[in-house]
Amino acid sequence: QQQVKQSPQSLIVQKGGIPIINCAYENTAFDYFPWYQQFPGKGPALLIAIRPDVSEKKEGRFTISFNKSAKQFSLHIMDSQPGDSATYFCAASMEFGSRLTFGEGTQLTVNP
Amino acid sequence: EAQVTQNPRYLITVTGKKLTVTCSQNMNHEYMSWYRQDPGLGLRQIYYSMNVEVTDKGDVPEGYKVSRKEKRNFPLILESPSPNQTSLYFCASSHYRSSGELFFGEGSRLTVL
Repeated sequence: QQQVKQSPQSLIVQKGGIPIINCAYENTAFDYFPWYQQFPGKGPALLIAIRPDVSEKKEGRFTISFNKSAKQFSLHIMDSQPGDSATYFCAASMEFGSRLTFGEGTQLTVNP
Repeated sequence: EAQVTQNPRYLITVTGKKLTVTCSQNMNHEYMSWYRQDPGLGLRQIYYSMNVEVTDKGDVPEGYKVSRKEKRNFPLILESPSPNQTSLYFCASSHYRSSGELFFGEGSRLTVL
């Protein structure tokens, strides 16, 4: 049973577009929501994370939007570049990073 | 350089032949964990360890064993591998109750014939 559901499974955008990846969770005890980025042949790496006391967090071109009442959060990538092509995972945990539950992953392709 | 090192990176084996995937981290992290990555299923936790001699089951522990005798090492043991354990395996570590950031190794691709 997947506690964190992620969509879409794959996404193709043109350079400069704004891909949006969505995640929904069930467990209201989750209090930490990170996004990880994975390039082919590499392990995932932390991209950006949010706690439920804020509704939005920006780091460079990456933004997390968080809707606590809907139990949903999403990743937006502004001015996407071909170098952003990767697999993105949302995740959630109840204690600051331990026992992370991951979504299914989204394979993003940004065409030149 | 801070890193999580897994070995082997690639392995093809046969059903029933015991194997061990090693994992070592040089960041003095208390928390270590193993995940498997399968298409469409994302990353699923196999086992985790809060500290030396403290391990616990994740979401998909069947068919796996772990041990944590030293802080830096967290090997994953497949006593009798089966084809459904063909997967990409990742070891990860973090400072528990710190930044929360999980540092991943580069993965071990295992094929069981």
